Amino acid sequence: QKEVEQNSGPLSVPEGAIASLNCTYSDRGSQSFFWYRQYSGKSPELIMSIYSNGDKEDGRFTAQLNKASQYVSLLIRDSQPSDSATYLCAAFMDSNYQLIWGAGTKLIIKP
Amino acid sequence: NAGVTQTPKFQVLKTGQSMTLQCAQDMNHNSMYWYRQDPGMGLRLIYYSASEGTTDKGEVPNGYNVSRLNKREFSLRLESAAPSQTSVYFCASRNTQALGGYEQYFGPGTRLTVT
Repeated sequence: QKEVEQNSGPLSVPEGAIASLNCTYSDRGSQSFFWYRQYSGKSPELIMSIYSNGDKEDGRFTAQLNKASQYVSLLIRDSQPSDSATYLCAAFMDSNYQLIWGAGTKLIIKP
Repeated sequence: NAGVTQTPKFQVLKTGQSMTLQCAQDMNHNSMYWYRQDPGMGLRLIYYSASEGTTDKGEVPNGYNVSRLNKREFSLRLESAAPSQTSVYFCASRNTQALGGYEQYFGPGTRLTVT
């Protein structure tokens, strides 16, 4: 059973600090990974994708991928209350072209 | 561009009733998906359509049927609703022609309650 694991949280971070969200995956064949943000009562929204080992930066967001350790992370710099949401990690399965989803980490940014 | 649209937004059914959830996308995407999301369980794939004219079962297909009506539209039918089908249902689409093309884009969801 291919899996993506996330700590459910909640993760509480002070405003202005760095929020660090983590995700591990079981399928070594996965090559593509995604972070989605989901506000309460809303649908998932894609915020980052990463395909290569290392870091990928987009504004205040940095995604990190370590394929040897099967580990993906999302850093949010200068956290804002508007970043409070559930963050979903997903891995693309090359075997069946589907996304495997983690259950999400709830992030709370405290003013 | 509306992206992915879903109707209805909310629905309450009695056990045994049937209904169809509608999904349409205007992004010319080939693949479409139906998920359900329950508290603490993440997104679970019900059915998907890799391209117009094809449909396949996902992780939790029992109690559901789908129709890929054309490239734009993908509907999900509950023939005899059960309380266990109370959930939030999301439709998503993916552009398999794009470079990479692995990302999925979601509609706003349908909140279904079965009593």
